[in-house]
Amino acid sequence: AQSVTQPDIHITVSEGASLELRCNYSYGATPYLFWYVQSPGQGLQLLLKYFSGDTLVQGIKGFEAEFKRSQSSFNLRKPSVHWSDAAEYFCAVGAPNTGNQFYFGTGTSLTVIP
Amino acid sequence: GAGVSQTPSNKVTEKGKYVELRCDPISGHTALYWYRQSLGQGPEFLIYFQGTGAADDSGLPNDRFFAVRPEGSVSTLKIQRTERGDSAVYLCASSLKGGAADTQYFGPGTRLTVL
Repeated sequence: AQSVTQPDIHITVSEGASLELRCNYSYGATPYLFWYVQSPGQGLQLLLKYFSGDTLVQGIKGFEAEFKRSQSSFNLRKPSVHWSDAAEYFCAVGAPNTGNQFYFGTGTSLTVIP
Repeated sequence: GAGVSQTPSNKVTEKGKYVELRCDPISGHTALYWYRQSLGQGPEFLIYFQGTGAADDSGLPNDRFFAVRPEGSVSTLKIQRTERGDSAVYLCASSLKGGAADTQYFGPGTRLTVL
């Protein structure tokens, strides 16, 4: 069965600092991989997704993520964090052969300090 | 354009009562999903509709939970004999065609509190 692990429950970074949020997945083949952001009172918003091809994907709001098959990871990065990036971040896996279900990690809460 | 909307935004009910949660997907989206998000957790899949039919309801926790989408647009999640453990945020998402590759657009959720 597919699963997603986000090892960091909470991360605090200073504004302007770089950010990396970790995501590890368990799946027999290459899954579809997603990062979503959830701000208080807002719905989940897609940041970026990976299906195949170039392992470094660019998303909205200056985010990028790199798929590493050997590590079963899909870490999210941003070179310079803004205060408005404070939110909850979720990694998700979609299984190409089942097609319907998304499996979400437990999320990482990001705090940005001035 | 309008995104996914969910009503009510908050629902407080008493244990044992019946509740209905509504989801209005993006117009033209054939696929609709319901998720449940408990405190401190990620969204958990409940059910997937393709058009009017429930293509995958394997995530529904028990027979107290039921969902319909009679005309292939609006969907209602129905919970009978609510229990305190049902308290969570219920999220709805829609996508154009469905399938793991299709981007899902989420609504703001309905926060259900069972007293």
